[in-house]
This record gives sequence, structure tokens and C-alpha cells, in this order.
Amino acid sequence: KNEVEQSPQNLTAQEGEFITINCSYSVGISALHWLQQHPGGGIVSLFMLSSGKKKHGRLIATINIQEKHSSLHITASHPRDSAVYICAAYYNTDKLIFGTGTRLQVFP
Amino acid sequence: DVKVTQSSRYLVKRTGEKVFLECVQDMDHENMFWYRQDPGLGLRLIYFSYDVKMKEKGDIPEGYSVSREKKERFSLILESASTNQTSMYLCASSFSGTGGSMNTEAFFGQGTRLTVV
Repeated sequence: KNEVEQSPQNLTAQEGEFITINCSYSVGISALHWLQQHPGGGIVSLFMLSSGKKKHGRLIATINIQEKHSSLHITASHPRDSAVYICAAYYNTDKLIFGTGTRLQVFP
Repeated sequence: DVKVTQSSRYLVKRTGEKVFLECVQDMDHENMFWYRQDPGLGLRLIYFSYDVKMKEKGDIPEGYSVSREKKERFSLILESASTNQTSMYLCASSFSGTGGSMNTEAFFGQGTRLTVV
């Protein structure tokens, strides 16, 4: 069955800490999305990747095809990074399979 | 700036009412999606449309229908709202790819929080 699993479910951090959120999936994905959802509901696409690593500001996403694993890293975390982070995968269709999300709270 | 716009941020409806949730995108995307999001369950696909007048059931279509008469607009219809349809509803759109290729990045609306009383 095509699945996406995220860990941890909840994460708290102090401002400035390095944060890692993990995502594992089944064999055969064609691409993977990292999404951010702030309180209030709107979802923003952070990254879409199928191999290697992407970086945007303090955010880094990596994917290891052999291990079926992706990570989202946040360097020098800030309270405005507090949000739900969602991993989602394409399994050779145009429809995404979503993880249940990681709720991150960064305290000053 | 690309945009997916949902007609309402918050809605309160009574049990048995017919409810329309509207979604409009301005990116000329072929694909449009309706999801609902509930605590602990993540996003679940209700319906998917890959072209005008075309639709495909998602994982939880019961109690819902959809309409796509124009490429830019995808409507979700609750024929007779029930309390178990209280949820956050999210619309998304993307280009049609060859099974999730890198040009199928999804763009989401701001969500509609529907409460059925």
C-alpha cells in the first residue's frame, strides 16, 4: 500500500535550534512535496524534489531514494517557523498521498 | 503571483442544507482537487478533476459531489450537510504530469472551515 509516514508528530524547540522532521514512504514514488500550514489553514509548498537536496533560505530538504526517506531541516529556528509541516508523495499518479503532519512550536 | 482562491474562510450551515464550496485558480491548471482535513487524519482526497467536466472519486466521496464546468473553477457540493462533515476543506490545483512529474507541484487555497450545526 502506498503510504507516507512522518515523525515526530509534535515537536517543540527553542529559538535558534536546528530542527529535523522525517518522512518515510513506500517504494516507487515519483516525487515528494514538503508543505507548510500555518494556523488559519492555508498550505504553502516549500519544496518538491525527486532526488538529492534543495535549499531555500534556512530550509533544507533532502531525499534518499535507496532508504525511502526524506528530511526537512530548519536551521536557526525562529518562532515564525511554528506551523504544521506536511510531507506528501506522488506514486506515479497526479494525486498526492499525505503524511499526517508534524506540529512544530518554536519558543523565544 | 499564482493563486488558488476559495470563496469562504468560515462557513456555518445547518444540518440538511445544501452547501456549495467554490474554488478558482488562475494558473490554467488541468488538475483540481478537493480535500478535507481532520485532526489526526491528515488530508484526505474527496474528489479530483483532471479536465473540464471530468471527475474522479477520491478516498472519501460519500456525501459529496463536484462540478467543473470551466477549467478555472471546481465546486464541491454537500447535497445535505451533516454534522460529520464539519471539517477544514482545502482546494488545490496542479498541471497534469506524467504521473507526478516535477511539473505537477500542487498549489493550495487558504481553506474553508465548515461547521455544520
